Amino acid sequence: SQQGEEDPQALSIQEGENATMNCSYKTSINNLQWYRQNSGRGLVHLILIRSNEREKHSGRLRVTLDTSKKSSSLLITASRAADTASYFCATINQAGTALIFGKGTTLSVSS
Amino acid sequence: DARVTQTPRDKVTEMGQEVTMRCQPILGHNTVFWYRQTMMQGLELLAYFRNRAPLDDSGMPKDRFSAEMPDATLATLKIQPSEPRDSAVYFCASGFGGETQYFGPGTRLLVL
Repeated sequence: SQQGEEDPQALSIQEGENATMNCSYKTSINNLQWYRQNSGRGLVHLILIRSNEREKHSGRLRVTLDTSKKSSSLLITASRAADTASYFCATINQAGTALIFGKGTTLSVSS
Repeated sequence: DARVTQTPRDKVTEMGQEVTMRCQPILGHNTVFWYRQTMMQGLELLAYFRNRAPLDDSGMPKDRFSAEMPDATLATLKIQPSEPRDSAVYFCASGFGGETQYFGPGTRLLVL
């Protein structure tokens, strides 16, 4: 399976703290993507990092990619209650035609 | 602001009934995906289309599920007959292959 696997499964932090989620995958990739899902809603794309990139930033988000370790991390800095959601990493399938999602990390940020 | 739309948003039905879910992808996107999400299995890819042609439906139970894309503005997912184990949230997404996908709000299905 090329499914990415997120770690930890659940994370609880206080507002203002940083949250780090990790994703491991099994085969070579062209890109890796992170998505957020608020309760009862569809997934929303956060950031895409390509295999030739090591780090990417978007606002309070920082994504790293280590292709040698087949792993990625998503860092949310200065977290807010509104960041409470599930976060998924996604990698492309063998045919290169579709994304396969992991089971996600559930982040809870309390004020 | 282009969005993927799905109807219905919620569906409650009895076992054995036919269920049809509809999706309007973002105009111009060449790939449409159907996913199913449950607590136990997470997000499962059921089927997807590129330029309206089915590319892969290996994630879908063939005996009761069917997916079609009659035109560029409509994708459908049918379950006939429905079973309680089909209860889940079904998402449609559109995009370009392995690039960013844009998800609809989902159809929450409950089969009694």
